[in-house]
Amino acid sequence: SQKIEQNSEALNIQEGKTATLTCNYTNYSPAYLQWYRQDPGRGPVFLLLIRENEKEKRKERLKVTFDTTLKQSLFHITASQPADSATYLCALGYGNKLVFGAGTILRVKS
Amino acid sequence: EAGVAQSPRYKIIEKRQSVAFWCNPISGHATLYWYQQILGQGPKLLIQFQNNGVVDDSQLPKDRFSAERLKGVDSTLKIQPAKLEDSAVYLCASSLDSGRAQDTQYFGPGTRLTVL
Repeated sequence: SQKIEQNSEALNIQEGKTATLTCNYTNYSPAYLQWYRQDPGRGPVFLLLIRENEKEKRKERLKVTFDTTLKQSLFHITASQPADSATYLCALGYGNKLVFGAGTILRVKS
Repeated sequence: EAGVAQSPRYKIIEKRQSVAFWCNPISGHATLYWYQQILGQGPKLLIQFQNNGVVDDSQLPKDRFSAERLKGVDSTLKIQPAKLEDSAVYLCASSLDSGRAQDTQYFGPGTRLTVL
């Protein structure tokens, strides 16, 4: 069956450290993958997109990798801040359709 | 630029009642999506419109859910009759549809529905 797995437990890290979130998938072959941030009571906000032929993408303190052999994407936030605390969703893309994972809660403590 | 607007923000109803949600996408965005997000899960696509035509409604429970997008702008999603398992946040999103497959989706704040 098709599955998208993100860390079900919350990730707690200290301010200034690098947060690494994982997205694993089974029985999908996405053309691209997106990461979104969702704050309580709000809709998801787009962060980064990476295509199947790209290994790595960066944007400011954010970095995402995409390994189609391992069927895994890693999302890194460097020099994390308490304001980075949120739920982070990965989404597999086909055409203009997205299939979302359940998300990982990140808590950054000062 | 104004974002995606949704109303109401919260709704509480009894099971078997009906409810409707409204969405106004970003101006000029051709594609509109309705998602259902159950607590602790990611958003699940219910229906996708391109202009006023339905592109994908494969996961819409058509015996109780309906949606329309008149004139290719605003959209309404209706549930009739509601069940307890319909309790969720209903998110509307829109994208430009520039012809690229990976257009960014912009989400509204959602409507939190509680069915008692």
